[in-house]
Amino acid sequence: QVQLVQSGAEVKEPGASVKVSCKASEYTFTSFYMHWVRQAPGQGLEWMGLIIPLRGGTTYAEKFQGRVTMTRDSSTNTVYMELSGLRSDDTAVYFCARGQGDLTWYDYWGQGSLVTVSS
Amino acid sequence: DIQMTQSPSTLSASVGDRVTVTCRASQTISTWLAWYQLKPGQAPKLLIYEASTLESGVPSRFSGSGSGTEFTLTISSLQPDDFATYYCQHYKNFSPTFGQGTKVEIK
Repeated sequence: QVQLVQSGAEVKEPGASVKVSCKASEYTFTSFYMHWVRQAPGQGLEWMGLIIPLRGGTTYAEKFQGRVTMTRDSSTNTVYMELSGLRSDDTAVYFCARGQGDLTWYDYWGQGSLVTVSS
Repeated sequence: DIQMTQSPSTLSASVGDRVTVTCRASQTISTWLAWYQLKPGQAPKLLIYEASTLESGVPSRFSGSGSGTEFTLTISSLQPDDFATYYCQHYKNFSPTFGQGTKVEIK
């Protein structure tokens, strides 16, 4: 059974950075893309970007350009999403989600990682 | 960006009811549309992709239809496990967006 297991909740101060991990198992890590989607409290879902595990290539949503970095470690089948310059409106649950490609639906999702930005 | 508008925002229904959620795109997206079910504290679940293809393992009471700009998700007979929030998502371009969600609650 495909599993995406994310890192735990984090509390960060404004201006700090956070790095969320997503460990994949039970499928060929390099055969699928990994997307990141977030959900702020009481809000809808927002796509942040994607990483291609095979080559490490990335595409970021314009809104997050310059603040987000997605990386992968193929030796551990883990992808990472780092968001810098945190603001209070970055408080959200961050999900990793597997996609067949870049323009696609997401068939498996992680359980979510709550990031709280507060002073 | 392509805007996705869902209606209604909240839907009150009883077990056994037929439920329909509508999603409208601000421009044509062919059938590049997916539906997801979200429950608090759980990973989102894919229900439908390509507007009408049922994901493997999803009960057949769920169905999707539509193309272009108007789409529907139908639950033919609502079950207790179906009380959740449902989101549509387009994937036509590199700015995939989601609808604002439809919460299906117990009447």
